[in-house]
Amino acid sequence: AQSVTQLDSQVPVFEEAPVELRCNYSSSVSVYLFWYVQYPNQGLQLLLKYLSGSTLVKGINGFEAEFNKSQTSFHLRKPSVHISDTAEYFCAVSDRNSGNTPLVFGKGTRLSVIA
Amino acid sequence: DTGVSQNPRHKITKRGQNVTFRCDPISEHNRLYWYRQTLGQGPEFLTYFQNEAQLEKSRLLSDRFSAERPKGSFSTLEIQRTEQGDSAMYLCASSVQQGEYGYTFGSGTRLTVV
Repeated sequence: AQSVTQLDSQVPVFEEAPVELRCNYSSSVSVYLFWYVQYPNQGLQLLLKYLSGSTLVKGINGFEAEFNKSQTSFHLRKPSVHISDTAEYFCAVSDRNSGNTPLVFGKGTRLSVIA
Repeated sequence: DTGVSQNPRHKITKRGQNVTFRCDPISEHNRLYWYRQTLGQGPEFLTYFQNEAQLEKSRLLSDRFSAERPKGSFSTLEIQRTEQGDSAMYLCASSVQQGEYGYTFGSGTRLTVV
């Protein structure tokens, strides 16, 4: 079964600084990879996804992520964060070859942007 | 289409009572998922439907939990004889059959068992 490890439970960063949120998944089989954001007391919103092709994918709100197959990683980055980016971020994986299995999520990284 | 709708948003119940949550997915989506999220954790898969068929259930879904999607549209999740450990956010999501499009999540139902 797939698993996802988000290496940092909390990441504090100053406003306008760059940030990287790390994500590793358990298997090297063909996968779909996703990043979701969750604001307090809300559901999850899709930020971006990797399906195939270019390893650098761009999402909403200025976020991007890079797929690295050899390291089984899918780290999320933003060059300059805003206060409004304060939220919980979840990495998720689905095994593409198993009939589109339900998404498996990591435990999340809480991004706190400091003014 | 207004997205995935979940009702109620909040539910407080006494231990031992039964509760039922409802999820209305995006109408074009034939897959519907239930997840549970506790404080400081990521969403954990409970079960999913393709149309009206329940295709997979997690071992987290004890026999006190039951989910239905009778006409392949809305779904209900019932918890019988609630326990304090059932306190969590219950999230519903829907998708088209092809998983690469990702899921659209509702805002969740927060259950507190006292």
